[in-house]
Amino acid sequence: GQNIDQPTEMTATEGAIVQINCTYQTSGFNGLFWYQQHAGEAPTFLSYNVLDGLEEKGRFSSFLSRSKGYSYLLLKELQMKDSASYLCAGSPPGDYKLSFGAGTTVTVRA
Amino acid sequence: GAGVSQSPSNKVTEKGKDVELRCDPISGHTALYWYRQSLGQGLEFLIYFQGNSAPDKSGLPSDRFSAERTGGSVSTLTIQRTQQEDSAVYLCASSLRGGGSGANVLTFGAGSRLTVL
Repeated sequence: GQNIDQPTEMTATEGAIVQINCTYQTSGFNGLFWYQQHAGEAPTFLSYNVLDGLEEKGRFSSFLSRSKGYSYLLLKELQMKDSASYLCAGSPPGDYKLSFGAGTTVTVRA
Repeated sequence: GAGVSQSPSNKVTEKGKDVELRCDPISGHTALYWYRQSLGQGLEFLIYFQGNSAPDKSGLPSDRFSAERTGGSVSTLTIQRTQQEDSAVYLCASSLRGGGSGANVLTFGAGSRLTVL
């Protein structure tokens, strides 16, 4: 199956670091995507990992371990504007659609 | 266009009425996807188009749902005899080509919020 699990909610303080974990049970994904979705808006692409390891992109980093079916999104130096839902997604090789997790709502407090 | 456009942005209808939701993808994107997002839920895949063809309609919840795409561009999602459980945000996305790969990032529209009374 393609069950994708991530925590429902996380709260952190402005300037802090938050790590959002995502686990999946599948025969294999092409890679693992992270999208950000602000309330009432469209999801927007954040990152894509196809190889194991850490990909750093400014304040956001994403990690993938294909053998463990595990990924995380690391948000550093949190800002109020980072309050949003973060969606983990993947698709099996040869498939054409992304399967999404339910999303993790991150609330950044002053 | 510069982005994915969806209309209407909001639609309130009475139970039993038909609705049409429109998606105008990014110019040149061959793949088009419809997803549904209920309150507090993740994105539920509905249907995928490659060009004008829909290789997989298995995500459509019932035969009341249908979709078409013409000219490899605009797509319309039609819901007949709407029910209250159809209330959700319907998101359209397009990509340069099909398949989940790094070169194939989905760009989403802002969605059509459907409320069935």
